[in-house]
Amino acid sequence: DTEVTQTPKHLVMGMTNKKSLKCEQHMGHRAMYWYKQKAKKPPELMFVYSYEKLSINESVPSRFSPECPNSSLLNLHLHALQPEDSALYLCASSQDQGSGANVLTFGAGSRLTVL
Amino acid sequence: GQNIDQPTEMTATEGAIVQINCTYQTSGFNGLFWYQQHAGEAPTFLSYNVLDGLEEKGRFSSFLSRSKGYSYLLLKELQMKDSASYLCAAMDSNYQLIWGAGTKLIIKP
Repeated sequence: DTEVTQTPKHLVMGMTNKKSLKCEQHMGHRAMYWYKQKAKKPPELMFVYSYEKLSINESVPSRFSPECPNSSLLNLHLHALQPEDSALYLCASSQDQGSGANVLTFGAGSRLTVL
Repeated sequence: GQNIDQPTEMTATEGAIVQINCTYQTSGFNGLFWYQQHAGEAPTFLSYNVLDGLEEKGRFSSFLSRSKGYSYLLLKELQMKDSASYLCAAMDSNYQLIWGAGTKLIIKP
Protein backbone atom coordinates (compact mmCIF):
# COMPACT_ATOMS: atom_id res chain seq x y z
CA ASP A 1 0.00 0.00 0.00
CA THR A 2 1.72 3.17 -1.19
CA GLU A 3 -1.11 5.60 -0.60
CA VAL A 4 -2.10 8.30 1.80
CA THR A 5 -5.87 8.38 2.17
CA GLN A 6 -7.70 11.53 3.19
CA THR A 7 -11.36 11.96 4.11
CA PRO A 8 -13.55 13.75 3.36
CA LYS A 9 -12.61 14.94 -0.12
CA HIS A 10 -14.84 17.97 0.22
CA LEU A 11 -16.16 19.71 3.33
CA VAL A 12 -18.39 22.75 3.69
CA MET A 13 -18.81 24.13 7.17
CA GLY A 14 -20.11 27.17 8.96
CA MET A 15 -18.00 29.29 11.25
CA THR A 16 -19.59 27.76 14.36
CA ASN A 17 -19.24 24.14 13.29
CA LYS A 18 -16.81 21.54 14.60
CA LYS A 19 -15.48 19.07 12.05
CA SER A 20 -12.46 16.85 11.53
CA LEU A 21 -10.22 15.90 8.63
CA LYS A 22 -8.75 12.42 8.65
CA CYS A 23 -5.62 10.94 7.13
CA GLU A 24 -4.34 7.37 7.04
CA GLN A 25 -1.21 5.68 5.71
CA HIS A 26 0.00 2.09 5.91
CA MET A 27 3.50 2.50 4.52
CA GLY A 28 5.15 2.34 7.93
CA HIS A 29 6.11 5.99 7.66
CA ARG A 30 7.01 7.59 10.99
CA ALA A 31 6.50 11.24 10.02
CA MET A 32 3.13 12.75 9.10
CA TYR A 33 2.35 16.28 8.01
CA TRP A 34 -0.54 18.68 7.55
CA TYR A 35 -0.20 21.31 4.84
CA LYS A 36 -2.58 24.05 3.77
CA GLN A 37 -2.63 25.13 0.14
CA LYS A 38 -4.38 28.12 -1.38
CA ALA A 39 -4.99 28.39 -5.12
CA LYS A 40 -1.83 29.05 -7.15
CA LYS A 41 0.33 28.97 -4.02
CA PRO A 42 2.76 26.33 -2.76
CA PRO A 43 1.85 24.08 0.17
CA GLU A 44 2.24 25.79 3.54
CA LEU A 45 3.39 23.59 6.41
CA MET A 46 1.10 23.54 9.45
CA PHE A 47 2.10 20.62 11.66
CA VAL A 48 4.56 17.73 11.71
CA TYR A 49 4.27 14.59 13.80
CA SER A 50 7.35 12.42 14.21
CA TYR A 51 6.96 9.05 15.89
CA GLU A 52 3.45 10.11 16.97
CA LYS A 53 4.70 13.22 18.76
CA LEU A 54 4.10 16.77 17.59
CA SER A 55 7.47 18.07 16.50
CA ILE A 56 6.56 21.18 14.54
CA ASN A 57 3.69 23.64 14.90
CA GLU A 58 4.17 26.50 12.47
CA SER A 59 2.35 29.07 14.65
CA VAL A 60 -1.00 27.76 13.51
CA PRO A 61 -4.10 29.33 15.16
CA SER A 62 -5.66 27.23 17.90
CA ARG A 63 -8.85 26.79 15.88
CA PHE A 64 -6.83 24.04 14.13
CA SER A 65 -6.01 21.16 16.45
CA PRO A 66 -3.97 18.17 15.26
CA GLU A 67 -4.11 14.70 16.72
CA CYS A 68 -2.08 11.58 16.01
CA PRO A 69 -3.90 8.60 17.57
CA ASN A 70 -1.34 6.09 16.26
CA SER A 71 1.45 5.77 13.73
CA SER A 72 -0.97 5.32 10.81
CA LEU A 73 -3.54 7.99 11.57
CA LEU A 74 -3.50 11.77 11.63
CA ASN A 75 -6.50 14.00 12.32
CA LEU A 76 -7.04 17.72 12.06
CA HIS A 77 -9.86 19.03 14.25
CA LEU A 78 -11.50 22.23 13.07
CA HIS A 79 -13.49 24.65 15.22
CA ALA A 80 -14.67 28.23 14.77
CA LEU A 81 -12.95 28.61 11.43
CA GLN A 82 -12.95 31.77 9.35
CA PRO A 83 -13.79 32.09 5.63
CA GLU A 84 -10.09 32.76 4.91
CA ASP A 85 -9.36 29.23 6.15
CA SER A 86 -10.98 27.88 3.02
CA ALA A 87 -8.25 25.95 1.19
CA LEU A 88 -7.02 22.52 0.15
CA TYR A 89 -5.70 20.67 3.19
CA LEU A 90 -3.05 18.13 2.31
CA CYS A 91 -1.82 15.31 4.48
CA ALA A 92 1.59 13.82 3.71
CA SER A 93 3.85 11.18 5.17
CA SER A 94 7.53 10.29 4.89
CA GLN A 95 9.79 7.55 6.25
CA ASP A 96 11.05 9.89 8.92
CA GLN A 97 11.55 13.59 9.45
CA GLY A 98 15.21 14.18 9.97
CA SER A 99 16.89 12.85 6.89
CA GLY A 100 17.82 14.14 3.48
CA ALA A 101 16.03 11.96 0.97
CA ASN A 102 12.80 12.58 2.79
CA VAL A 103 10.28 12.07 0.01
CA LEU A 104 6.79 13.20 0.91
CA THR A 105 3.84 11.12 -0.22
CA PHE A 106 0.76 13.32 -0.34
CA GLY A 107 -2.86 12.39 0.02
CA ALA A 108 -5.40 13.70 -2.52
CA GLY A 109 -6.41 16.46 -0.15
CA SER A 110 -9.56 17.69 1.57
CA ARG A 111 -11.04 20.79 -0.01
CA LEU A 112 -12.52 22.90 2.78
CA THR A 113 -15.00 25.73 2.29
CA VAL A 114 -15.91 27.87 5.29
CA LEU A 115 -19.10 29.88 4.91
CA GLY B 1 16.27 34.66 4.76
CA GLN B 2 15.37 31.54 2.86
CA ASN B 3 14.05 31.88 -0.66
CA ILE B 4 13.18 29.86 -3.74
CA ASP B 5 12.68 31.48 -7.15
CA GLN B 6 11.14 29.87 -10.19
CA PRO B 7 9.22 31.31 -13.15
CA THR B 8 5.50 31.75 -12.65
CA GLU B 9 4.40 30.33 -15.99
CA MET B 10 5.90 28.74 -19.09
CA THR B 11 4.41 27.62 -22.40
CA ALA B 12 5.76 24.88 -24.64
CA THR B 13 4.67 22.80 -27.61
CA GLU B 14 3.73 19.14 -27.57
CA GLY B 15 6.74 17.01 -28.50
CA ALA B 16 9.26 19.71 -27.62
CA ILE B 17 11.68 20.11 -24.69
CA VAL B 18 11.29 22.57 -21.82
CA GLN B 19 13.61 23.52 -18.96
CA ILE B 20 12.20 24.91 -15.72
CA ASN B 21 14.77 26.74 -13.62
CA CYS B 22 14.91 27.13 -9.86
CA THR B 23 17.32 29.13 -7.71
CA TYR B 24 17.47 28.74 -3.98
CA GLN B 25 18.92 30.34 -0.87
CA THR B 26 18.64 28.30 2.29
CA SER B 27 20.26 27.98 5.69
CA GLY B 28 22.21 24.84 4.99
CA PHE B 29 21.24 22.41 2.28
CA ASN B 30 20.05 18.81 2.35
CA GLY B 31 18.79 18.37 -1.17
CA LEU B 32 16.48 19.73 -3.83
CA PHE B 33 13.11 18.21 -4.74
CA TRP B 34 10.83 18.60 -7.72
CA TYR B 35 7.13 17.81 -7.45
CA GLN B 36 4.42 17.84 -10.11
CA GLN B 37 0.94 19.05 -9.25
CA HIS B 38 -2.04 18.86 -11.60
CA ALA B 39 -4.81 21.37 -10.96
CA GLY B 40 -6.92 20.40 -7.97
CA GLU B 41 -4.76 17.39 -7.15
CA ALA B 42 -1.99 16.61 -4.68
CA PRO B 43 1.70 17.05 -5.51
CA THR B 44 3.55 13.95 -6.66
CA PHE B 45 7.29 13.40 -6.29
CA LEU B 46 9.43 13.67 -9.43
CA SER B 47 13.06 13.90 -8.37
CA TYR B 48 15.60 14.49 -5.61
CA ASN B 49 19.13 15.84 -6.08
CA VAL B 50 21.68 16.25 -3.32
CA LEU B 51 24.92 15.99 -5.35
CA ASP B 52 25.91 18.13 -8.31
CA GLY B 53 25.01 16.85 -11.72
CA LEU B 54 22.22 15.50 -13.82
CA GLU B 55 19.79 12.76 -12.75
CA GLU B 56 17.80 11.23 -15.59
CA LYS B 57 14.52 9.43 -15.12
CA GLY B 58 12.74 8.64 -18.37
CA ARG B 59 11.50 11.81 -20.06
CA PHE B 60 12.33 13.89 -16.98
CA SER B 61 15.80 14.94 -15.83
CA SER B 62 16.87 17.14 -12.95
CA PHE B 63 20.12 19.04 -12.54
CA LEU B 64 21.76 20.55 -9.49
CA SER B 65 24.64 22.98 -8.96
CA ARG B 66 25.16 23.53 -5.25
CA SER B 67 27.80 26.22 -5.74
CA LYS B 68 25.35 28.28 -7.79
CA GLY B 69 22.26 27.46 -5.73
CA TYR B 70 20.61 26.39 -8.96
CA SER B 71 18.53 23.51 -10.26
CA TYR B 72 16.50 22.79 -13.34
CA LEU B 73 13.92 20.26 -14.39
CA LEU B 74 14.12 19.17 -18.01
CA LEU B 75 11.08 17.65 -19.65
CA LYS B 76 11.52 15.96 -23.05
CA GLU B 77 9.00 14.79 -25.64
CA LEU B 78 6.31 16.87 -24.01
CA GLN B 79 2.84 15.42 -23.79
CA MET B 80 -0.44 17.21 -23.12
CA LYS B 81 -0.66 15.43 -19.76
CA ASP B 82 2.53 17.26 -18.68
CA SER B 83 0.45 20.43 -18.32
CA ALA B 84 0.71 21.02 -14.57
CA SER B 85 2.47 23.09 -11.95
CA TYR B 86 6.03 22.11 -11.11
CA LEU B 87 7.15 22.85 -7.57
CA CYS B 88 10.79 23.23 -6.57
CA ALA B 89 11.58 22.69 -2.88
CA ALA B 90 14.93 22.88 -1.09
CA MET B 91 15.60 21.13 2.21
CA ASP B 92 17.44 23.28 4.76
CA SER B 93 19.80 22.29 7.56
CA ASN B 94 16.81 21.44 9.81
CA TYR B 95 15.42 19.10 7.13
CA GLN B 96 12.56 21.50 6.49
CA LEU B 97 11.29 21.99 2.96
CA ILE B 98 11.34 25.52 1.59
CA TRP B 99 8.88 25.61 -1.31
CA GLY B 100 8.93 27.72 -4.43
CA ALA B 101 5.66 29.22 -5.66
CA GLY B 102 5.53 26.74 -8.54
CA THR B 103 5.80 27.06 -12.31
CA LYS B 104 2.61 26.54 -14.29
CA LEU B 105 3.51 24.72 -17.50
CA ILE B 106 1.08 25.05 -20.40
CA ILE B 107 1.49 22.59 -23.27
CA LYS B 108 0.02 23.58 -26.64
CA PRO B 109 -0.69 21.15 -29.49
